Amino acid sequence: DAKTTQPPSMDCAEGRAANLPCNHSTISGNEYVYWYRQIHSQGPQYIIHGLKNNETNEMASLIITEDRKSSTLILPHATLRDTAVYYCIVRVAGAQKLVFGQGTRLTINP
Amino acid sequence: KAGVTQTPRYLIKTRGQQVTLSCSPISGHRSVSWYQQTPGQGLQFLFEYFSETQRNKGNFPGRFSGRQFSNSRSEMNVSTLELGDSALYLCASREPSVNGDRVYGYTFGSGTRLTVV
Repeated sequence: DAKTTQPPSMDCAEGRAANLPCNHSTISGNEYVYWYRQIHSQGPQYIIHGLKNNETNEMASLIITEDRKSSTLILPHATLRDTAVYYCIVRVAGAQKLVFGQGTRLTINP
Repeated sequence: KAGVTQTPRYLIKTRGQQVTLSCSPISGHRSVSWYQQTPGQGLQFLFEYFSETQRNKGNFPGRFSGRQFSNSRSEMNVSTLELGDSALYLCASREPSVNGDRVYGYTFGSGTRLTVV
């Protein structure tokens, strides 16, 4: 699985868009970008994933650069409940494990 | 749909003892994975089971083992506990077909917090 690089921490004001970057410069053509988040003392929660097109669901949007070497997770209107550690993971769909990095600790401030 | 259920939520054991943790996956999910989370090492993959067979194993000593039953429920066992085994143990289930995985990803339980004293 490709290595990802994320900033260790970020802050965002409540109600604003939170933009979380991820670098994955060694991603292979068949690897997807997945995002999970972990709220304190809970298990990680799946957010979104994509291959090369931008994706949007009820939780977030995922923007992947054309060369696929980086991506941005966007929480359009962050709330206090979005405070969590966000993990960017690249893997082949169906692969038998997730390889977690250290993630980004996102703090939403009132 | 009920989520992934892990029992117990909290456990305190003494060094040298053994422990068994249980995981009930989402109904219809045939694959169960286990992860260990510690402040120093973060989230690390332990193993994955599918149809009662271990398909992949992380870099952990043989004291860590697991099994899966015909109803997809899984248990993991840690023998001869060490202080360093104190961690949050997370179970995740998924439908391992490529399309299922592509659509749904993994669903994690809330974990079992093991403290070894």
